[in-house]
Amino acid sequence: AQSVTQLGSHVSVSEGALVLLRCNYSSSVPPYLFWYVQYPNQGLQLLLKYTTGATLVKGINGFEAEFKKSETSFHLTKPSAHMSDAAEYFCAVSDPGTGGFKTIFGAGTRLFVKA
Amino acid sequence: EAQVTQNPRYLITVTGKKLTVTCSQNMNHEYMSWYRQDPGLGLRQIYYSMNVEVTDKGDVPEGYKVSRKEKRNFPLILESPSPNQTSLYFCASSPRTGEREQFFGPGTRLTVL
Repeated sequence: AQSVTQLGSHVSVSEGALVLLRCNYSSSVPPYLFWYVQYPNQGLQLLLKYTTGATLVKGINGFEAEFKKSETSFHLTKPSAHMSDAAEYFCAVSDPGTGGFKTIFGAGTRLFVKA
Repeated sequence: EAQVTQNPRYLITVTGKKLTVTCSQNMNHEYMSWYRQDPGLGLRQIYYSMNVEVTDKGDVPEGYKVSRKEKRNFPLILESPSPNQTSLYFCASSPRTGEREQFFGPGTRLTVL
């Protein structure tokens, strides 16, 4: 069975500092991988995704993530945090065997950005 | 505007009173899904549908029903709600082909007393 682990339910960084949100997954086959962001009182929106091809993927708002098969990781980074990045971030995996439609989400990491 | 809509956005009800949360998308997506979000647990998939009349269970289907009679609509039905179904519910849709990005609705906050 697939699972997703996000290390750290809360992460706090200073404005301008590096953002690193960790995601590890378990899957018997290479999955599709996603990061979504949720701003307060809103639904989720896609930050970036990995399905096939280049393992370093770039998303919106300056975020990027690298798929490392050997480490079963898909960590999210941003070189310089901005106040507007404060939100909750979810890592998700889906099973290509179901056409990519059965999706497992991590528990989420809330990012705080200090001025 | 391309969007997923949910109604109602907020609902307070009592144990055992049947309710339906509607979900509609205007993007002609084949795939739709329901999730519940609880603190510390992230989003858990309740049911998903790969097309009209095709549905399957997610990880937490107990106590819920769905139907997919039209491509655009995917209602979530709670036949006999219980307090442990108090949660924030999200509907999502995705095209069958392409990158599998899911588009989420704004959420429905349900409280069962």
